[in-house]
Amino acid sequence: AQSVTQLDSQVPVFEEAPVELRCNYSSSVSVYLFWYVQYPNQGLQLLLKYLSGSTLVKGINGFEAEFNKSQTSFHLRKPSVHISDTAEYFCAVGSYIPTFGRGTSLIVHP
Amino acid sequence: NAGVTQTPKFQVLKTGQSMTLQCAQDMNHEYMSWYRQDPGMGLRLIHYSVGAGITDQGEVPNGYNVSRSTTEDFPLRLLSAAPSQTSVYFCASLQVGYGYTFGSGTRLTVV
Repeated sequence: AQSVTQLDSQVPVFEEAPVELRCNYSSSVSVYLFWYVQYPNQGLQLLLKYLSGSTLVKGINGFEAEFNKSQTSFHLRKPSVHISDTAEYFCAVGSYIPTFGRGTSLIVHP
Repeated sequence: NAGVTQTPKFQVLKTGQSMTLQCAQDMNHEYMSWYRQDPGMGLRLIHYSVGAGITDQGEVPNGYNVSRSTTEDFPLRLLSAAPSQTSVYFCASLQVGYGYTFGSGTRLTVV
């Protein structure tokens, strides 16, 4: 069994500030972790993934995430956000049929 | 590459009507899934397929039917539409280890 908890439903932040979107997971098998982004009225696209190896994963648009096995977390970070980062972000766990969290709405204010 | 193509983009149905949401992928992926997205609920898995001729139920399968006669196509059928099926539906195909490729979605309203 696998599950994902996204700890914040909404994260407001000012432009150029750093941001962290939190994700905790549980999985009884090998851990594949993903972050997806959904811009308004669009489908989801892959931001980054962790399969194995280095625990710090870099993705598109300046985002990165750190896999922490002891804390079962996979938090997403960006050092300086832009207005265009306003979107819904989904964490997912699983290799074949991933389970998704409920999403975190990142709102970037000017 | 077109990726994952979903049709239609928008649909309004009357309660009790049936319809098929189409999904096609051109990446030769074995795994395909259907999700529905509702506010505050994230993505919930309806049905999935691990290859042509093989399908299985997800978290919320009631009222939906699927088939997978080819690797490319994975249609989702609503048997008798209900207002509770008003949602945004996403089809996705998976290359193991690389993550999902999603379609652009179908926004369905049942009145």
